[in-house]
Amino acid sequence: EAQVTQNPRYLITVTGKKLTVTCSQNMNHEYMSWYRQDPGLGLRQIYYSMNVEVTDKGDVPEGYKVSRKEKRNFPLILESPSPNQTSLYFCASSLAFGQPQHFGDGTRLSIL
Amino acid sequence: QKEVEQDPGPLSVPEGAIVSLNCTYSNSAFQYFMWYRQYSRKGPELLMYTYSSGNKEDGRFTAQVDKSSKYISLFIRDSQPSDSATYLCATLSNDYKLSFGAGTTVTVRA
Repeated sequence: EAQVTQNPRYLITVTGKKLTVTCSQNMNHEYMSWYRQDPGLGLRQIYYSMNVEVTDKGDVPEGYKVSRKEKRNFPLILESPSPNQTSLYFCASSLAFGQPQHFGDGTRLSIL
Repeated sequence: QKEVEQDPGPLSVPEGAIVSLNCTYSNSAFQYFMWYRQYSRKGPELLMYTYSSGNKEDGRFTAQVDKSSKYISLFIRDSQPSDSATYLCATLSNDYKLSFGAGTTVTVRA
């Protein structure tokens, strides 16, 4: 089954403790992206990747890192999480930029 | 000002009614337009995708784009309780700018 898989689905952690949210897709998609979703603000893009080893900042990249060493994986790294990063995070992928994106089921992060 | 404005609702309609959802956008460079549906605790899923002005129909769903007014709409005919979800509009420009509306929560009452 074609899918985008995120882990973990839920995480409660404390300020400053490094964490990684993994994202994997099995559709051989070139383009991958991370979003955060907050009430009243909708989906905002954090980082995106046009292809392996090519990443770029979205609208809200501060406090986040990403890497794209393999086509299928696009982890999101929070080196020193802070409470304002408490949010619902989505990973998405598409065949290429501009093509419809497939989303994962989300990761709800709570940072205390 | 956000680049894509969408009324968050909530919108509540009886089963069988027509649901009308709207977004406005400010950037003339936006060339592609999408509607996503998001159920609770799930990721958004693509409903409609279009790049031109006019109407696009898919079953009970019609997407309408008016580039001169920078206005996009989604109509759901014969609405069902299973249509209860949050609907997100999205726009994409040729220079890789992707923007989402805040989403409208719709409840279809049986």
